[in-house]
Amino acid sequence: EVQLVESGGGLVQPGRSLRLSCTASGFTFGDYAMSWVRQAPGKGLEWVGLIRNKVYGGTTEYAASVKGRFTISRDDSKSIAYLQMNSLKTEDTAVYYCTRGGGYNYGDYWGQGTLVTVSS
Amino acid sequence: DIQMTQSPSAMSASIGDRVTITCRASQGISNYLAWFQQKPGKVPKRLIYASSSLQSGVPSRFSGSGSGTEFTLTISSLQPEDFATYYCLQHNSYPYTFGQGTKLEIK
Repeated sequence: EVQLVESGGGLVQPGRSLRLSCTASGFTFGDYAMSWVRQAPGKGLEWVGLIRNKVYGGTTEYAASVKGRFTISRDDSKSIAYLQMNSLKTEDTAVYYCTRGGGYNYGDYWGQGTLVTVSS
Repeated sequence: DIQMTQSPSAMSASIGDRVTITCRASQGISNYLAWFQQKPGKVPKRLIYASSSLQSGVPSRFSGSGSGTEFTLTISSLQPEDFATYYCLQHNSYPYTFGQGTKLEIK
């Protein structure tokens, strides 16, 4: 059974950093791209970014709203994807979901989400 | 960036109704379009991928169509469990973009 479990959320002050983790199981993690999507309270879904698998260079793509502040990485030996969030702003407050896949696999599995609250 | 415009943004319908939600892309995206359903407090669930392919386990009353810039999600006969918010997503080019959502409520 495919499972994605996010962790690392919490309350953080503006300007500080936080790292989220997405621990995967039930599939060959290294074969898939991994992605992050967020949802601010009462708002719609916002795509954050993606990391390709090593076959495609493990390269990353980001939304303009987070580019330069957020970094996605992966550790295939541990089946974990990370979202490093720096210079956090109040508008980054959201539930952060990790999702599996690139191409037509995109979004077939989602984690349960982890809440990040940026507030002083 | 590709803009995805969903319509309507909200609608009310009755059990048994046929419902259609539209998503328009600001430029062509081939068939790199997925539809998701989200119920309050729950994780989004993929219903349709590649514009018209039904996700395994999703009831056949859900269907998708379209290519290029115009796409539709159709629910052939609304059931009580279908009242939710629906989102389209284009994954043809980066950054990927979601539609703003369509909230489907009970009439």
